[in-house]
Amino acid sequence: EAQVTQNPRYLITVTGKKLTVTCSQNMNHEYMSWYRQDPGLGLRQIYYSMNVEVTDKGDVPEGYKVSRKEKRNFPLILESPSPNQTSLYFCASSLGHLGSEKLFFGSGTQLSVL
Amino acid sequence: SQQGEEDPQALSIQEGENATMNCSYKTSINNLQWYRQNSGRGLVHLILIRSNEREKHSGRLRVTLDTSKKSSSLLITASRAADTASYFCATAPGGSYIPTFGRGTSLIVHP
Repeated sequence: EAQVTQNPRYLITVTGKKLTVTCSQNMNHEYMSWYRQDPGLGLRQIYYSMNVEVTDKGDVPEGYKVSRKEKRNFPLILESPSPNQTSLYFCASSLGHLGSEKLFFGSGTQLSVL
Repeated sequence: SQQGEEDPQALSIQEGENATMNCSYKTSINNLQWYRQNSGRGLVHLILIRSNEREKHSGRLRVTLDTSKKSSSLLITASRAADTASYFCATAPGGSYIPTFGRGTSLIVHP
């Protein structure tokens, strides 16, 4: 089954404790992206990647890191989480070229930073 | 930066009625997409309309695009309680396929 898999689904952590949210897709998609969703603000893009070893900042990249060492995986890293990073996070992917723009989303990761 | 903005922010209707929500955007686009999100879950793609198209249908969904007014509308006909969700438009600026999302319209369909 074609899907984007995010883990974990829920995560509670404390300020400053490094964490990684994993994202994997099995559709051989080139384009992958991370979003955060906050009430009243919609989805805001954190980072995106057009292919292996190619990543770019989105609208709200501060406090986040990503890597794209393999085509299928695009982990989101919070080196020193802070309470303002409490949010619902989504990973998404697409084939990544004009004509194939449809995004497939993961189920989300609800992160709470205390 | 958010390119598209949905209107209204919230919509409450009775089952069987039609639901219309609108999306306005700022710059020229390659395409406009509509997504649906059930509470707290991942977004699901509904329909994509390209800048050279004016109308598309998919089941009970009808999407229109007016590039002169930089706006789109999503019509859900004969709404059902199961249509209760948030609906987002996503626009890809001209020359790009990277979409940006609006804040969404929250639709409640009462049985």
